[in-house]
Amino acid sequence: QVQLQESGPGLVKPSETLSLTCSVSGGSISGYFWSWIRQPPGKGLEWIGYIFTTGSTNYNPSLNSRVTISLDTSRTQFSLKLRSVTAADTAVYFCARATRRINFDMFDYWGQGILVTVSS
Amino acid sequence: DIQMTQSPSSLSASVGDRVTITCRASQSISSYLNWYQQKPGKAPKLLIYGASSLQSGVPSRFSGSRSGTDFTLTITRLQPEDFATYYCQQSYSTLWTFGQGTRVEIK
Repeated sequence: QVQLQESGPGLVKPSETLSLTCSVSGGSISGYFWSWIRQPPGKGLEWIGYIFTTGSTNYNPSLNSRVTISLDTSRTQFSLKLRSVTAADTAVYFCARATRRINFDMFDYWGQGILVTVSS
Repeated sequence: DIQMTQSPSSLSASVGDRVTITCRASQSISSYLNWYQQKPGKAPKLLIYGASSLQSGVPSRFSGSRSGTDFTLTITRLQPEDFATYYCQQSYSTLWTFGQGTRVEIK
């Protein structure tokens, strides 16, 4: 059974960099889109971006200039860096696996989520 | 960006009711539409992909359909564990977007 687990600091100061890691277990890391999604408290879901196992990336343009997603296949982990954070970046951050099935892409496995608060 | 608009934003229903949630895309997305269920404090769970294909392990009381740019999630015979928030998500464009969510509450 595939499992994803987010880790990282729960508190980040304004203007600093938010850094999270997602550890993947129970399945291959190859052939999937490894994604980050966030959810501000009491609000909806926002896709941040993904990295494919070839290393190609795709980011939400609204965050593109501040986001980097990287993949460490040897450690079956992928990471998120979000630079120059503000209070608007306070959210629960989920890592997720996106699968392509019959040309359709979908998030089929998710981590439990980690709350990151931006505050001084 | 492709905007996904869900309606209603919330609804109240009773156990055993038939519930319908609609998601409208701002442009054609073919059948590149997924539905998720999210319970408080939990990650979303995939229910339907490709507009109408049931994810493995999801009860058959959940179904999805498409009419043009309008998509529907139907829950027949609502069960206590179905009270949750439901999100649609399109994967047609390179910018994946979610609807704003529909909260299904107990009447």
